Amino acid sequence: EDKVVQSPLSLVVHEGDTVTLNCSYEVTNFRSLLWYKQEKKAPTFLFMLTSSGIEKKSGRLSSILDKKELFSILNITATQTGDSAIYLCAVLQGAQKLVFGQGTRLTINP
Amino acid sequence: GAVVSQHPSWVICKSGTSVKIECRSLDFQATTMFWYRQFPKQSLMLMATSNEGSKATYEQGVEKDKFLINHASLTLSTLTVTSAHPEDSSFYICRAGTGGGETQYFGPGTRLLVL
Repeated sequence: EDKVVQSPLSLVVHEGDTVTLNCSYEVTNFRSLLWYKQEKKAPTFLFMLTSSGIEKKSGRLSSILDKKELFSILNITATQTGDSAIYLCAVLQGAQKLVFGQGTRLTINP
Repeated sequence: GAVVSQHPSWVICKSGTSVKIECRSLDFQATTMFWYRQFPKQSLMLMATSNEGSKATYEQGVEKDKFLINHASLTLSTLTVTSAHPEDSSFYICRAGTGGGETQYFGPGTRLLVL
C-alpha cells in the first residue's frame, strides 16, 4: 500500500528557531514529491522535488529529496509567527495521483 | 501560474438536501480533476479522479452514488453531494491537472456544513 509518513506530527518552537520537517514515502510509480503549506484554506504550493540531492530554496524555506533513502526534509530558518501552519508532504504518482502524508502542525510562539 | 477556482466557498444546508460544488480551471485545460475531502485536523483524502468526458474513478470507501462527479468540459468539474448528512460536513478541495505537469495547484476549497 502506498504511504507517505510525516514527522513530527506536531511541533512548537519559539520565533527565530530553525525547524526541520520530515517526510518519508513508500509509493509505486514515483514521479515527484511536493510540499504544501496549509493555513485555514486550501494548501499553498511550496516546492516540487523530482531529483535527488538538489536543494530548492525560497526565502527562509528550503527542501531536498533523497530518492535512495525515500525521504525529504523541509527546513525553515529564522521562523516567524506567520510560519505557523500545517505543512503537508505529498508524492505525485505516474497517473497524477497525489498521496498525502498526515501533515505536521507547526506552531511558532512569539 | 495556473489558477483553479471553486464555488461556493461556503455552504450550509439542511440534512437531506443536495449540494453542488464547482471546480474551474481558469487559464488552462484540465484533462483530469481530483476531488479531496479533509476533516478537521486530518490530511487530505482523495475521493475520486475524473477525466474529461469519462466516468470518475472513485477511491475505496467512497460512495459513487452519493458523491456524483461530472467532468463535462476541460475547464469544469462538479461534485454533487446527494442527500447530505451531518457526517458529510467537511472541507472539499479540487485539484486540476494536465498531462504537462500543472498539477501542483488546488482550488481554494469549499466548506460544507450540513445541519
